[in-house]
Amino acid sequence: EADIYQTPRYLVIGTGKKITLECSQTMGHDKMYWYQQDPGMELHLIHYSYGVNSTEKGDLSSESTVSRIRTEHFPLTLESARPSHTSQYLCATLGKKLFFGSGTQLSVL
Amino acid sequence: KNEVEQSPQNLTAQEGEFITINCSYSVGISALHWLQQHPGGGIVSLFMLSSGKKKHGRLIATINIQEKHSSLHITASHPRDSAVYICAASTGTASKLTFGTGTRLQVTL
Repeated sequence: EADIYQTPRYLVIGTGKKITLECSQTMGHDKMYWYQQDPGMELHLIHYSYGVNSTEKGDLSSESTVSRIRTEHFPLTLESARPSHTSQYLCATLGKKLFFGSGTQLSVL
Repeated sequence: KNEVEQSPQNLTAQEGEFITINCSYSVGISALHWLQQHPGGGIVSLFMLSSGKKKHGRLIATINIQEKHSSLHITASHPRDSAVYICAASTGTASKLTFGTGTRLQVTL
């Protein structure tokens, strides 16, 4: 049912690297979101979009950027990864209800 | 004070018990979401509601707009219901989501 895909599923990288986390959906939803979640903790909004070329910053946006050139695609880029970025990153879309991707578990060494 | 507050934070019940999880919010909302997250698992949307009551199987969600309060009820609880239940308030044109801290439910035999 949930046609929202995140890649990669796991990623281990070194400090200072630039990385892009991919999120794609086939449901045609305008609203998409990126969240960060540490184990057992609440979700924190990083960025969100309500349509093509429309993006907004969330609470944790200062070290990342997003783009929304196509409805289906909402990539998240960390320009210079740091160990504090180690976390799970979840992408979501909103239609008649919320759909979450499986997440990307990022480890920065 | 968080804009979305849940109670209780932790809940242990025996199989078969009727369970209620509460969510209060202080912002004007367009919708209220109830989500489920199993340990190590993804997040699944249970309900999205803006008024009244919705039912799906053993789950019932209600919302009182005037009191800014929503409840999630589980009837005839089962160990497989053990999970974290999260409420989220949707606000604004972009449906920005504000999450509660979650209720960790453990159902024992």
